[in-house]
Amino acid sequence: AQTVTQSQPEMSVQEAETVTLSCTYDTSESDYYLFWYKQPPSRQMILVIRQEAYKQQNATENRFSVNFQKAAKSFSLKISDSQLGDAAMYFCAYEWGAQKLVFGQGTRLTINP
Amino acid sequence: EADIYQTPRYLVIGTGKKITLECSQTMGHDKMYWYQQDPGMELHLIHYSYGVNSTEKGDLSSESTVSRIRTEHFPLTLESARPSHTSQYLCASRESDTEAFFGQGTRLTVV
Repeated sequence: AQTVTQSQPEMSVQEAETVTLSCTYDTSESDYYLFWYKQPPSRQMILVIRQEAYKQQNATENRFSVNFQKAAKSFSLKISDSQLGDAAMYFCAYEWGAQKLVFGQGTRLTINP
Repeated sequence: EADIYQTPRYLVIGTGKKITLECSQTMGHDKMYWYQQDPGMELHLIHYSYGVNSTEKGDLSSESTVSRIRTEHFPLTLESARPSHTSQYLCASRESDTEAFFGQGTRLTVV
């Protein structure tokens, strides 16, 4: 079974600094999708960034970028120039073969002003 | 703003009652999901559907059931609510390989 592991239950960063959230996953597949989702307090879950496993280039969305290491099955999220609005739970997710979407345990990110 | 809606947002109900949590989306997505999430904790997949008349159980054992008679509607039913069912329930929908859109969730409390 595919599993997703986020080993950092909580992280904190100073405003304007950079933080990296870790995610590893277990799969025997070669073609799959990886996602980072953000869940602000009492608000809807929204997509931050996605990565197709067949693409070697790391995905980037403004201040958010990933470090995708396929051989190591690692998919970390880097947030640059952290802002107070970035405070949220962040979930890493995996999907293969257009089937079920599996999430990691989540990392609570706190931004210190 | 995603076009996926969950009702009710909050529900307090007595033990033994039957409840149905509603989830509707207007995006025509084939795939829909139900997740159970305790506040600030991980999401556990309890049910999913690939399309009309297709439903599967997720990784977390659940006493709930689902149905998918229409593309846009994916209700979740608890025949007999128990305090252990107290949690937040999140519904999501998506097309293959694209992002999932989530509803605002239903926070259920069984007393």
